[in-house]
Amino acid sequence: AQTVTQSQPEMSVQEAETVTLSCTYDTSESNYYLFWYKQPPSRQMILVIRQEAYKQQNATENRFSVNFQKAAKSFSLKISDSQLGDTAMYFCAFMKHDRSQGNLIFGKGTKLSVKP
Amino acid sequence: GAVVSQHPSWVICKSGTSVKIECRSLDFQATTMFWYRQFPKQSLMLMATSNEGSKATYEQGVEKDKFLINHASLTLSTLTVTSAHPEDSSFYICSARDDTAGGGETQYFGPGTRLLVL
Repeated sequence: AQTVTQSQPEMSVQEAETVTLSCTYDTSESNYYLFWYKQPPSRQMILVIRQEAYKQQNATENRFSVNFQKAAKSFSLKISDSQLGDTAMYFCAFMKHDRSQGNLIFGKGTKLSVKP
Repeated sequence: GAVVSQHPSWVICKSGTSVKIECRSLDFQATTMFWYRQFPKQSLMLMATSNEGSKATYEQGVEKDKFLINHASLTLSTLTVTSAHPEDSSFYICSARDDTAGGGETQYFGPGTRLLVL
């Protein structure tokens, strides 16, 4: 069974600074996807970034980038130039590349607070 | 980006009544949708996988007769909480999986439904 671990329940960062959120996972699959979702106080789940396991290049989306280490089963999220609107719960998620079993497995989340 | 709507966003009902929640993918077709439940300050818990044209697959411990799921079209799945009780009060979230080429099988989430059973 796959598991996703986020070891930082809460983090804080000053506005404009950079912060890295950690995520590790356990799987015997070779082909899968990894995601970071953001859940602000509105509770709407928003996709931040997606990584396909077969791609060695780390995904980036504007101020958000990941450090994907497949051998170490690590998938950290870096937020550069943090903004107040980045304050949210961040969930790391794993999904098999198998449409018959393609549900997301979530970590417990990291609560990020961006301070002015 | 892909948009998923969910209706209603808020519902208060009396114990014993049934509540239907709709989940729609607005700009893509979704063969597969998912229903989650989220308790305060916790992660999302998958309840069931909804497949268009076939029966839903329920996670262990989720009563299929309690939580009825219908996926009648490629853009609509419904969750009906039957004979709701106060312990069913929660935040329910749906997602739709984008299976189109280039969609990367990404799940996009609805805004959620807050259910309060009195």
